[in-house]
Amino acid sequence: GDSVTQMEGPVTLSEEAFLTINCTYTATGYPSLFWYVQYPGEGLQLLLKATKADDKGSNKGFEATYRKETTSFHLEKGSVQVSDSAVYFCALSGGHSGGSNYKLTFGKGTLLTVNP
Amino acid sequence: ETGVTQSPTHLIKTRGQQVTLRCSSQSGHNTVSWYQQALGQGPQFIFQYYREEENGRGNFPPRFSGLQFPNYSSELNVNALELDDSALYLCASSLTGQRNTEAFFGQGTRLTVV
Repeated sequence: GDSVTQMEGPVTLSEEAFLTINCTYTATGYPSLFWYVQYPGEGLQLLLKATKADDKGSNKGFEATYRKETTSFHLEKGSVQVSDSAVYFCALSGGHSGGSNYKLTFGKGTLLTVNP
Repeated sequence: ETGVTQSPTHLIKTRGQQVTLRCSSQSGHNTVSWYQQALGQGPQFIFQYYREEENGRGNFPPRFSGLQFPNYSSELNVNALELDDSALYLCASSLTGQRNTEAFFGQGTRLTVV
């Protein structure tokens, strides 16, 4: 079945440091890939997405590129801020097949703490 | 445009009891999915509802059941609660009919079973 493996944390960085959180996946067909963020005590917010190979998703300075050849979707940010402290989840959803198939398969999450 | 809302936000139940969690989908969305997020883990797919029918189910026992109503809101029911059912339960809504529609999540219901 589908699965997502992401870098286990916690990750602790200083403000303005470069961030990379690795994510690889296993899936049949052509999944869509997502990064979700969860702030303390809150639900999940979509951070960015990519729906086909070589697409780059970006939002709020975060970027991730859909690499089919390496089955990866690594999250990067050039300069993190204290406000980026949260748990980050990589996820995939299966391809459309005539009906609804939007089940999301998540990684275990990576806790990021950014210190001033 | 209203977002996804869940109720209650927190509740405590005793082992063996039954619980009902509620979710109002985002305006214009017709599909609701439920996820269980244990502490320190990623969310796990429970099931999805579309047009009031279950449309996909994860690896959860039958004591986890659900409903979707004509207004697309949904309920998650869990019978015979076990201690391991303690988790954050997340509802997500999306629009079926467009490929790869993203899911929008509610704030979740924190269930504690004692």
